[in-house]
Amino acid sequence: QSVLTQPPSVSAAPGQKVTISCSGSSSNIGNSYVSWYQQLPGTAPKLLIYDNNNRLSGIPDRFSGSKSGTSATLGITGLQTGDEADYYCGTWDSSLSSVVFGGGTKLTVL
Amino acid sequence: EVQLLESGGGLVQPGGSLRLSCAATGFTFSSYAMIWVRQAPGKGLEWVSGIDGSGGRTYYADSGKGRFIISRDNSKNTLYLQINSLRAEDTAIYYCAKDRYSGSYYRLDFWGQGTLVTVSS
Repeated sequence: QSVLTQPPSVSAAPGQKVTISCSGSSSNIGNSYVSWYQQLPGTAPKLLIYDNNNRLSGIPDRFSGSKSGTSATLGITGLQTGDEADYYCGTWDSSLSSVVFGGGTKLTVL
Repeated sequence: EVQLLESGGGLVQPGGSLRLSCAATGFTFSSYAMIWVRQAPGKGLEWVSGIDGSGGRTYYADSGKGRFIISRDNSKNTLYLQINSLRAEDTAIYYCAKDRYSGSYYRLDFWGQGTLVTVSS
């Protein structure tokens, strides 16, 4: 299992809001910044959020990130069918001296 | 425009070796750390290895320590991953990615399209 824990799946209706959690420990999220990635089916991952809450240029403000203690959260408002994808959190783990990802969360827009 | 183009994947027998390459264009290659991330079929992302801009500092996930060697040739704007003693569980798409800064290794702002490595007899 992954060092960072994410829910396997979340779902919501178009236009609604969803949050995806990412739980870690003091050696990773608690001591570093968090990035969030979106992977659309059949494509390479894409960086959405870095340093907990900074959107990469071109990413709509419907996407937001936050961090508290050893957990981080990705929020998506105004859901669109095009948001259906797998979402991953990632950060540096000082105990492992490597980067760790969450197991991924599949978002379904009903 | 930043572009990353991986190559070198293919079908390899267990115990074999492979060298993956990632040709980079559109940015000052030597100024950024570069990373390899893999994804087994139907599975999540797994960070494999990272190297700083000069090539003097490298990091590996536990799954690759002792078998994977990351390197770079800044004169050729190319990143490499040497994979030895291949196992069935190394079967995955291998992505190269660019770090947003010179050495964070997890702010990956550009990704290649990936190259598939299949380990099977």
